[in-house]
Amino acid sequence: DVKVTQSSRYLVKRTGEKVFLECVQDMDHENMFWYRQDPGLGLRLIYFSYDVKMKEKGDIPEGYSVSREKKERFSLILESASTNQTSMYLCASFRVTEAFFGQGTRLTVV
Amino acid sequence: LAKTTQPISMDSYEGQEVNITCSHNNIATNDYITWYQQFPSQGPRFIIQGYKTKVTNEVASLFIPADRKSSTLSLPRVSLSDTAVYYCLVEAAGNKLTFGGGTRVLVKP
Repeated sequence: DVKVTQSSRYLVKRTGEKVFLECVQDMDHENMFWYRQDPGLGLRLIYFSYDVKMKEKGDIPEGYSVSREKKERFSLILESASTNQTSMYLCASFRVTEAFFGQGTRLTVV
Repeated sequence: LAKTTQPISMDSYEGQEVNITCSHNNIATNDYITWYQQFPSQGPRFIIQGYKTKVTNEVASLFIPADRKSSTLSLPRVSLSDTAVYYCLVEAAGNKLTFGGGTRVLVKP
């Protein structure tokens, strides 16, 4: 079975902190994605990557950056966390047209 | 312009068949139709995918008419554990996945 692992299930950070959310997949997929999910807004795409060191902006990239140094790892970075970035963050990796999601990280910024 | 349109919510009862129809009028030739299921506090999970006609697996069936402008996810004999949000996606291979609002299905005893 494909496994996508997010480093933390729950995270509490302070406003202004730099936050790293890590995602690792074990199936050698090239495509990886980061979404955030908020009540009433569904899943919104933040960034995605088609290969190592490649990244593409999604629909809501402001306030975020990403890093893909190795194929299996895709990190989401909040440069200076703000309260409006409190959300559920979901990482996914792709096999052709099928997405495999991690369990999610619920981030609270206080 | 939204790629897909599906009902916001549906209620059903245990043992019934649930059919969720998704409209995708602007589907492109190389687009696939994929359905995901999401439980609270979990990531979406792939259910079924098709290109045309009918696809069936151990969980669901997917019906796609010849014009491919809509599709229907059929969940046979639902149980309480099928209560979830169901998303219909239309994308070509390798493209970014754009999720709409999904259909919230509530299965009642």
